[in-house]
Amino acid sequence: QVQLQQWGAGLLKPSETLSLTCAVYGGSFSAYYWSWIRQPPGKGLEWIGEINHSGSTNYNPSLKSRVTISVDTSKNQFSLKVISVTAADTAVYHCARSTYGEIGPWGQGTLVTVSS
Amino acid sequence: QAVVTQEPSLTVSPGGTVTLTCGSSTGAVTSGHYPYWFQQKPGQAPRTLIFDTTNKHSWTPARFSGSLLGGKAALTLSGAQPEDEAEYYCLLSYSGARVFGGGTKLTVL
Repeated sequence: QVQLQQWGAGLLKPSETLSLTCAVYGGSFSAYYWSWIRQPPGKGLEWIGEINHSGSTNYNPSLKSRVTISVDTSKNQFSLKVISVTAADTAVYHCARSTYGEIGPWGQGTLVTVSS
Repeated sequence: QAVVTQEPSLTVSPGGTVTLTCGSSTGAVTSGHYPYWFQQKPGQAPRTLIFDTTNKHSWTPARFSGSLLGGKAALTLSGAQPEDEAEYYCLLSYSGARVFGGGTKLTVL
């Protein structure tokens, strides 16, 4: 049973860099894409991007200039960095596995608040 | 950046039928957008109901079906149950990038 566990700073000031990491336990790491998705409080889902084990990425065009997703296959981990955050980046950030037909399972979610 | 549109809210009576739609600012939604539908209940992670327009998972209740309808992706619920009250999101693919719709809050009342 694959499980995703994520961590990272939950409170940032404007202009700082958001950094989150997601560890994958169980199952194959190399067979899938690994995604980041966020959800502002009380609002809808926003797809941020995804990466596979070889480092091939796809990004949301609206966030691409500020987002980097990276992978560490030696640890079965992948990470998200968002530079120059603003209050609009306040959201619950989720990591998730992407495969044909499904996005899931999901990590537990990390609330990231951007406030001065 | 494409914008994916959904009805903000819909209401269906128990046992009734409702269709949720998913449109794209770039034009008609086709099978090439590989439409997905997710169900999210409060405090829970989203769950994939439909993928590639019409395909269901083993956990997808038979009363849900996906289709293309009038240039949009559609999710039809036939025989609504109280437990179907939730937020529903569609997801479209655009040459590798993916975009969620804004979500439809479905009330069963």
